[in-house]
Amino acid sequence: GQQLNQSPQSMFIQEGEDVSMNCTSSSIFNTWLWYKQDPGEGPVLLIALYKAGELTSNGRLTAQFGITRKDSFLNISASIPSDVGIYFCAGLGTGTASKLTFGTGTRLQVTL
Amino acid sequence: KAGVTQTPRYLIKTRGQQVTLSCSPISGHRSVSWYQQTPGQGLQFLFEYFSETQRNKGNFPGRFSGRQFSNSRSEMNVSTLELGDSALYLCASSLRVSETYNEQFFGPGTRLTVL
Repeated sequence: GQQLNQSPQSMFIQEGEDVSMNCTSSSIFNTWLWYKQDPGEGPVLLIALYKAGELTSNGRLTAQFGITRKDSFLNISASIPSDVGIYFCAGLGTGTASKLTFGTGTRLQVTL
Repeated sequence: KAGVTQTPRYLIKTRGQQVTLSCSPISGHRSVSWYQQTPGQGLQFLFEYFSETQRNKGNFPGRFSGRQFSNSRSEMNVSTLELGDSALYLCASSLRVSETYNEQFFGPGTRLTVL
């Protein structure tokens, strides 16, 4: 099945550092969503983006909907240990209703 | 407001058996989507139900089926289980206001192991 290209695949950072990850697609999406998943749990919605160029923040998280509608990025500022987990982007395209297409995931590990 | 609930959380079956998983959406949400998550394929869309009708379907064989009840609760069924069906099965609910405004909220998943 289709998956969006997400990078980096994994990253180790120190507490307090900023983190950036991005997601690219060959298809256009109308909506971009970013999720975080902890081991053994379902993904938790972090940020939703609805318009090309839109920049949205949720606490220390900031995400942008790319102008081409084929990419999105997520930034986490001043990372803390509880930021550990796997981050997924997901896109909703035209005519696909509720069919989310997910990225391959970015595994984030934070060291003290 | 209670979140999406899925039962059971863990399930062990043997090849050839069938299994039924259950999902209760967030109160007021009428759309329920199902996803399969495996290490190799990631998160893949199975199908979506809205107002008791299947509205969208992913690329999975006919052994995977589902239904939705009038209270929006949904079940998915997998018949003739194969080893490759071992996965985390996730259910997501949504208000489905439109194709664009369609934030999906996930349950904790059901971990299915096929032996």
